[in-house]
Amino acid sequence: QSVLTQPPSVSGAPGQRVTISCTGSSSNIGAGYDVHWYRQLPGTAPKLLIYTNTNRPSGVPDRFSGSKTGTSASLAITGLQAEDEAVYHCQSYDSRLSDVIFGGGTKLTVL
Amino acid sequence: QITLKESGPTLVKSTQTLTLTCTFSGFSLGTRGVGVGWIRQPPGKALEWLALIYWDDDERHSPSLKNRLTITKDTSKNQVVLTLTNMYPVDTATYYCAHRRAVAGTPDVFDMWGQGTMVTVSS
Repeated sequence: QSVLTQPPSVSGAPGQRVTISCTGSSSNIGAGYDVHWYRQLPGTAPKLLIYTNTNRPSGVPDRFSGSKTGTSASLAITGLQAEDEAVYHCQSYDSRLSDVIFGGGTKLTVL
Repeated sequence: QITLKESGPTLVKSTQTLTLTCTFSGFSLGTRGVGVGWIRQPPGKALEWLALIYWDDDERHSPSLKNRLTITKDTSKNQVVLTLTNMYPVDTATYYCAHRRAVAGTPDVFDMWGQGTMVTVSS
């Protein structure tokens, strides 16, 4: 059971917008710790998508955006494409555990 | 261009010690701000952060594995070594090493990852 809760799966049609939530608590996201997002294509290593809540590394399209409010963070993907099918992971830090934590991952299916 | 690659045994027996090497290029662990971390992922499960070593020899370890885990660096060889003692079947996972992006904030963020190496622990 991950300290950061993500929906196991989300889906959307090509061109649509989807959001993936990452819900934490007052000892992690709510305490002000940063949230990072990674995308993992099948059989490959994770790739950084969003860092420090809202920032995109160079090369990541602006279709991807991150936000953080209270004890939760969200990843939004607009203009959904078939190649967006992947598992998306959020990462933060928990002061009660004194540990870096990941969400359970969300599998995005493009219908 | 930053690249990282993990190497080590694919199969270890219960109670044995696992030693994995991360060999990287495109950056130096002698440069201020640089770090290399290890993350693992059991089959079909979530990512788990293990440890991180910084350019100044500072280290961070997962509290749950701290007593079993050692991370070291060899700056001249561009390598970071992870050692995990007392391996058990629950430690079966793909082990990744990754480059720490030099930005402020907590937690550290990894902007480049190795391809990963699958380690199976037999009982």
